Amino acid sequence: DAGVIQSPRHEVTEMGQEVTLRCKPISGHNSLFWYRQTMMRGLELLIYFNNNVPIDDSGMPEDRFSAKMPNASFSTLKIQPSEPRDSAVYFCASAGGDSSYEQYFGPGTRLTVT
Amino acid sequence: DAKTTQPTSMDCAEGRAANLPCNHSTISGNEYVYWYRQIHSQGPQYIIHGLKNNETNEMASLIITEDRKSSTLILPHATLRDTAVYYCIVRVPSRSQGNLIFGKGTKLSVKP
Repeated sequence: DAGVIQSPRHEVTEMGQEVTLRCKPISGHNSLFWYRQTMMRGLELLIYFNNNVPIDDSGMPEDRFSAKMPNASFSTLKIQPSEPRDSAVYFCASAGGDSSYEQYFGPGTRLTVT
Repeated sequence: DAKTTQPTSMDCAEGRAANLPCNHSTISGNEYVYWYRQIHSQGPQYIIHGLKNNETNEMASLIITEDRKSSTLILPHATLRDTAVYYCIVRVPSRSQGNLIFGKGTKLSVKP
């Protein structure tokens, strides 16, 4: 099992540019999560999908952030336009079965916005 | 959701057991205790979870007190690779609520 796959692993972009982060969950898992981690705020949930449907997006900071899950094997998190305060490590996680709390995390994407 | 309290940091000698405590005195009857860890520059990793009975898997053991107000994660033979931040999380398993709330955790340093 390859685990959760995220790309790119590192992204450096200039303020105002569009950024797209990608995630491939573990095959068979029906829940997918996007988290953001910074030194100041720690690890926080941005959005959660179950069976490709967004269930809770209350953690999405503002309209500049959007997430999609067009099928069970792929999800994107888009930031447009990006700002320096968006610099963080973004993690994708997936889970299967009855409990959404046994989550398996990807390696993360380190985003730097200059 | 029940709030958890963990020590900020702990040290452990390599090869010895690491015992990481967690207080969750306001836990309700249907809330489970979950443990995750995050090794530097990696994503969090699920370790183990339990409701009221002690649990053991290939990574660790989880001891939950009879009143369920506290628990201890035990790494029986700590190695340098176990150096990480360990998070204790209390939640009700639910398909409609997926968010894990990570606190500050305990930074475990395993020393040679």
